Amino acid sequence: AQSVTQLDSQVPVFEEAPVELRCNYSSSVSVYLFWYVQYPNQGLQLLLKYLSGSTLVKGINGFEAEFNKSQTSFHLRKPSVHISDTAEYFCAVSANSGGSNYKLTFGKGTLLTVNP
Amino acid sequence: DAGITQSPRHKVTETGTPVTLRCHQTENHRYMYWYRQDPGHGLRLIHYSYGVKDTDKGEVSDGYSVSRSKTEDFLLTLESATSSQTSVYFCAISARGYEQYFGPGTRLTVT
Repeated sequence: AQSVTQLDSQVPVFEEAPVELRCNYSSSVSVYLFWYVQYPNQGLQLLLKYLSGSTLVKGINGFEAEFNKSQTSFHLRKPSVHISDTAEYFCAVSANSGGSNYKLTFGKGTLLTVNP
Repeated sequence: DAGITQSPRHKVTETGTPVTLRCHQTENHRYMYWYRQDPGHGLRLIHYSYGVKDTDKGEVSDGYSVSRSKTEDFLLTLESATSSQTSVYFCAISARGYEQYFGPGTRLTVT
């Protein structure tokens, strides 16, 4: 089974500052990794994904994440945030093998608040 | 955006009444999922489907049942709603299982 830990439940930052949202996972098999964003009163939107290949993946809205297999991490970064990035961010993992690669396990979310 | 709709978007119901939520997709994806979202818990899987008439339980399936008679529709039923089922319910779809796309959600309040 897989598990996901998002190390910060809330991250406040000022506009134009850099931000990193941390995600660690646990799995006995190789994984697929995802970040989703949820704006207030909306559904989840896929921000970026790691399936294979380059460990640095770029997503929408200027976000990127780096897969680090040795540290079992998939941290999300943005060099300069905007007020409009205020949202909740979820990290998710799926097994890359066997019969359970059709399920996602989610972290509990990190609320990013960008202040002017 | 993936073609997913959920209905109703909001519902208030009384304890003990049956409730059915509908998820409809226009993408012809094989997999469909029902999650609930509660503060402090993230998203938790209730049930999922891997084909017409093929469904299985998730981690919080007690008190819920599902049906999928057509590729495009996945129904979630609360046979007798309880206050602990007050939540926001999300449907998701996927072609391959792991890359999922979410609907707009249904806010259910059980009084």
